[in-house]
Amino acid sequence: RKEVEQDPGPFNVPEGATVAFNCTYSNSASQSFFWYRQDCRKEPKLLMSVYSSGNEDGRFTAQLNRASQYISLLIRDSKLSDSATYLCVVNDRRGGFKTIFGAGTRLFVKA
Amino acid sequence: DTEVTQTPKHLVMGMTNKKSLKCEQHMGHRAMYWYKQKAKKPPELMFVYSYEKLSINESVPSRFSPECPNSSLLNLHLHALQPEDSALYLCASSQVHRGSEQYFGPGTRLTVT
Repeated sequence: RKEVEQDPGPFNVPEGATVAFNCTYSNSASQSFFWYRQDCRKEPKLLMSVYSSGNEDGRFTAQLNRASQYISLLIRDSKLSDSATYLCVVNDRRGGFKTIFGAGTRLFVKA
Repeated sequence: DTEVTQTPKHLVMGMTNKKSLKCEQHMGHRAMYWYKQKAKKPPELMFVYSYEKLSINESVPSRFSPECPNSSLLNLHLHALQPEDSALYLCASSQVHRGSEQYFGPGTRLTVT
């Protein structure tokens, strides 16, 4: 089993749609969780941190479920500019806070 | 300002060359990272420096040699690379190395011929 797993997609959605991504992680002692977005041939950019209480930033909502070991990202009212790869990131305390990226979920938002 | 800079943007080198990649941040972060990213794959952690000391080496071949001259700078020295080492090399920094948010530089696109 991979340490961090994501549905690779691609997700093809129309503008205005709501889309949700999930990510599961294997180590129950994982410490911190993030969503990054990466545009083609660019660096990953931090989208948001993920907390057990859930957090929202505009159209984006992230949630952490420690019991089930998954994190989610919800994008409401999708824009064309949301088209990117969304990377789930977990910091694992084993081996001294190792950062593990999921394989990424590709999103295409169409007009 | 959450800026991490990397030079050069692109690098082409032969298998017998020696070159260095450079990374700089002025956010006062005390942890810096090197990642390697192949096309259509996620970044893979190579090295972590925490308070200018090497904290993690993810079993990277010795032809990659990291160096942290001070808290703002991180270098990656390259020697005798193989064509399969061609990739995007990303530098990142975070406040501390205990699971905090990382900020990435734009990367150096390396081609080994």
